[in-house]
Amino acid sequence: EDQVTQSPEALRLQEGESSSLNCSYTVSGLRGLFWYRQDPGKGPEFLFTLYSAGEEKEKERLKATLTKKESFLHITAPKPEDSATYLCAVQARTGGFKTIFGAGTRLFVKA
Amino acid sequence: DAMVIQNPRYQVTQFGKPVTLSCSQTLNHNVMYWYQQKSSQAPKLLFHYYDKDFNNEADTPDNFQSRRPNTSFCFLDIRSPGLGDAAMYLCATSTSGVSTDTQYFGPGTRLTVL
Repeated sequence: EDQVTQSPEALRLQEGESSSLNCSYTVSGLRGLFWYRQDPGKGPEFLFTLYSAGEEKEKERLKATLTKKESFLHITAPKPEDSATYLCAVQARTGGFKTIFGAGTRLFVKA
Repeated sequence: DAMVIQNPRYQVTQFGKPVTLSCSQTLNHNVMYWYQQKSSQAPKLLFHYYDKDFNNEADTPDNFQSRRPNTSFCFLDIRSPGLGDAAMYLCATSTSGVSTDTQYFGPGTRLTVL
């Protein structure tokens, strides 16, 4: 069964304290892995798509990487405005349009 | 700006009283999705449309129905809401292609069932 597990469930950082969020996945042939940011009471906002192991993408203080079993979202020198829930999701080659989401990591950055 | 719009943002209904949530998009995407997200949980796909073709997830209750009258609009009907249906309902769109289908989400509708 395809599934996505994110860790930790919650992460508290001081401003400027870099860290990484983990997304472990099991899927029958990965078609793509997605990272989204979700603020309280809002819809997820697209960040990155990764297609194959070894791929990396960056946006401001965020960098996403992908291996055959997991993805990391690295946050460098976070600011309080980076506080949000970060969701990971996967699509399988044989799954059509179905996207399976993890439960997310809630990130709190304190000034 | 091209976007996904959901109305209403907040909906309160009574137990068993039918409710309809709406989603519209200006992205001209051919795929539209409905997700249910409960507090601190992953978004759960209910169904999606690929153009006019409706695709229901196997574990989506019969209580949930959907309509897509045209490319821009999609509706979620909950025929007899129960207390367990209280959640955030998210609409998303994507455009099918040879690569993965990045989904773009609306702001969601928060449903309360009294």
